[in-house]
Amino acid sequence: NAGVMQNPRHLVRRRGQEARLRCSPMKGHSHVYWYRQLPEEGLKFMVYLQKENIIDESGMPKERFSAEFPKEGPSILRIQQVVRGDSAAYFCASSPTGDLNEKLFFGSGTQLSVL
Amino acid sequence: AQKITQTQPGMFVQEKEAVTLDCTYDTSDPSYGLFWYKQPSSGEMIFLIYQGSYDQQNATEGRYSLNFQKARKSANLVISASQLGDSAMYFCAMREVHTGANSKLTFGKGITLSVRP
Repeated sequence: NAGVMQNPRHLVRRRGQEARLRCSPMKGHSHVYWYRQLPEEGLKFMVYLQKENIIDESGMPKERFSAEFPKEGPSILRIQQVVRGDSAAYFCASSPTGDLNEKLFFGSGTQLSVL
Repeated sequence: AQKITQTQPGMFVQEKEAVTLDCTYDTSDPSYGLFWYKQPSSGEMIFLIYQGSYDQQNATEGRYSLNFQKARKSANLVISASQLGDSAMYFCAMREVHTGANSKLTFGKGITLSVRP
C-alpha cells in the first residue's frame, strides 16, 4: 500500500516561471491537504480539498497560487510567476475522512527553489 | 495568539535517557485533537502519537507517551529510552472541531532534539 506520493522531490524554477507540484494521496483517501514549510519553521496550512472540491483555502495566498484535486489523477498545487519568496518545502497530506482523531499521512515533500 | 506554542530551544539528551518536549496550545473549542509528528533530516513527517480532548488517559505508543494536562492546556511528549535515531525536529499540532475548519492541523514551530551517544 503505497504512501502519499509527491513529485517532483526537488523543483528549480527561475523567477516568473510556473511551478506545478503533484500529490497522489494514499489509496482510499479522498481528503488532501497542502502545507508549506519555510526553513526552521513549522508547517503552515494552505488548502484542504476533497475530490473536485476546495473545502478550505484560507491559507492560500490570494494571487498566483491555485490547487485542484480532480476526479481522476493527482492533486496539483500550481504557483504562477514564482518569486524567490516562494522557495520552500511543500508538503501534501491525505486522510480517508476529516474525522477529529484521524492522523494525516504526509508525503516526502517537494523542495521548490526559485532562482 | 499562537494556537500551538513550542518554545524550547534545541534539546539534548543522552542516549537511553528520557526526554520531555513541551507543547502548549490555545483553543476555546471543547473538542479537539493533539498530535505529535517527527521530522528527521530526510524531511518526511512521521506521525507519533494522538491525544483527544475527551480522552481520560494519557496516550502511549511504544516509547512515546503524552503528558496531557487539560487545565493547563499542555500536551508534552515524553520519549523514553532515547535512541540515536530519535534525533529530529518534533512538531506538536492541533485539530479543532467547531471552528469551521475541523480538518486541518495547525502546527507549532517545532523543537530540535539531538541524542548524544
